[in-house]
Amino acid sequence: QQQVKQSPQSLIVQKGGISIINCAYENTAFDYFPWYQQFPGKGPALLIAIRPDVSEKKEGRFTISFNKSAKQFSLHIMDSQPGDSATYFCAASSGSNYGGSQGNLIFGKGTKLSVKP
Amino acid sequence: NAGVTQTPKFQVLKTGQSMTLQCAQDMNHEYMSWYRQDPGMGLRLIHYSVGAGITDQGEVPNGYNVSRSTTEDFPLRLLSAAPSQTSVYFCASTLDRGTYNEQFFGPGTRLTVL
Repeated sequence: QQQVKQSPQSLIVQKGGISIINCAYENTAFDYFPWYQQFPGKGPALLIAIRPDVSEKKEGRFTISFNKSAKQFSLHIMDSQPGDSATYFCAASSGSNYGGSQGNLIFGKGTKLSVKP
Repeated sequence: NAGVTQTPKFQVLKTGQSMTLQCAQDMNHEYMSWYRQDPGMGLRLIHYSVGAGITDQGEVPNGYNVSRSTTEDFPLRLLSAAPSQTSVYFCASTLDRGTYNEQFFGPGTRLTVL
């Protein structure tokens, strides 16, 4: 059972455009929603994260929008650049000890973003 | 700080062989974990540890063993390699299992089982 569903699988955006990646989760115990960025041949690195007590978090060109009632969150990359070309993973975890999995990250399947110059 | 280090970077095994993937961190993190990454599957948790001497299974633990004798090291052992274990393996660490802690990933080990 996939607990975090991510779409699209791949995305091509022109330089300067807006990239949008969506994720949906099932478990209402989740209370931490990070996004990780991964370049080819490298390990994932934290990009930005949000807690469910806010609906939006912005860091530079990257924004997370969070809809608690719909159990959805999304990553928006404004003014997308070729250097943003990477694979992006959404994830979720719970601070409560549901099933003994406190703190374990559940990842979406990833979105490969290509930004064309 | 070196962060999270993994060795080797690449490894080719024959079916049935065993090996150990090494992982070390120098950030005094309590929580360490192993993931495997397969195309179109995201990252899936294999095993994790909340401190020295304590380990537990993740989503896909079969065929793998772990131990945590020190805070710094968290090796992953493949008991009898199978082609289905061909994957990229990532080790990660974070301060503790509390919410909101950033997980730091190593550079990965690409394993091919023939």
